[in-house]
Amino acid sequence: QVQLVQSGAEVRKPGASVKVSCKASGYSFTNHYIYWVRQAPGQGLEWMGIVNPSGGSTNFAQKFQGRVTMTRDTSTSTVYMELSSLGSEDTAVYYCARPTPGTSGWYLEYWGQGTLVTVSS
Amino acid sequence: QSVLTQPPSVSGAPGQRVTISCTGSSSNIGAGYDVHWYQQLPGTAPKLLIYGNNNRPSGVPDRFSGSKSGTSASLAVTGLQAEDEADYYCQSYDSSLSGVVFGGGTKVTVL
Repeated sequence: QVQLVQSGAEVRKPGASVKVSCKASGYSFTNHYIYWVRQAPGQGLEWMGIVNPSGGSTNFAQKFQGRVTMTRDTSTSTVYMELSSLGSEDTAVYYCARPTPGTSGWYLEYWGQGTLVTVSS
Repeated sequence: QSVLTQPPSVSGAPGQRVTISCTGSSSNIGAGYDVHWYQQLPGTAPKLLIYGNNNRPSGVPDRFSGSKSGTSASLAVTGLQAEDEADYYCQSYDSSLSGVVFGGGTKVTVL
């Protein structure tokens, strides 16, 4: 069965960076994109970007461009999301998700369990 | 501000029917992009509830249904049950933003 297992909770100081991992199993890793979505406490879902595990290409939401990096390691079927210059507003649960193509648009069929990133001085 | 607009909350008694609206624009729902819905129970990851406007994944009760018209979509829950108390999010694609967009979420309360 498809599984996305994320790394554990992180605490960072303002201005630092954080790298979250998402290990995929149960399917062919390079055949499916991975999305990253975050959720601030008590808030809604926010799309951050997408990484193609096959070639490593990425596409980011404009809000995060210049501050986010998404990479993959095909040898371990793991994707990484690194966010830099953290501020308190980056405190959130970060999810990886595997999209499935629909008739007109993609939907997020499989989700990781989420990683809480807390930014605090 | 979310690109897709949902009511913050809806409520209903057990057994009743509730609907959640999701309003977009000509660059997302109105452009013909599919709308998908997710259910999020407290402290858990979102779960796919409806995909492609009106399709249920295996295991989702037929009490949940979706529809889409023009620049809006709706999620209906009939025969409301206590276990349906959760947050619900709509999602689509926006061509102007070249990315995925979500609604702000709707909290369903079972009275």
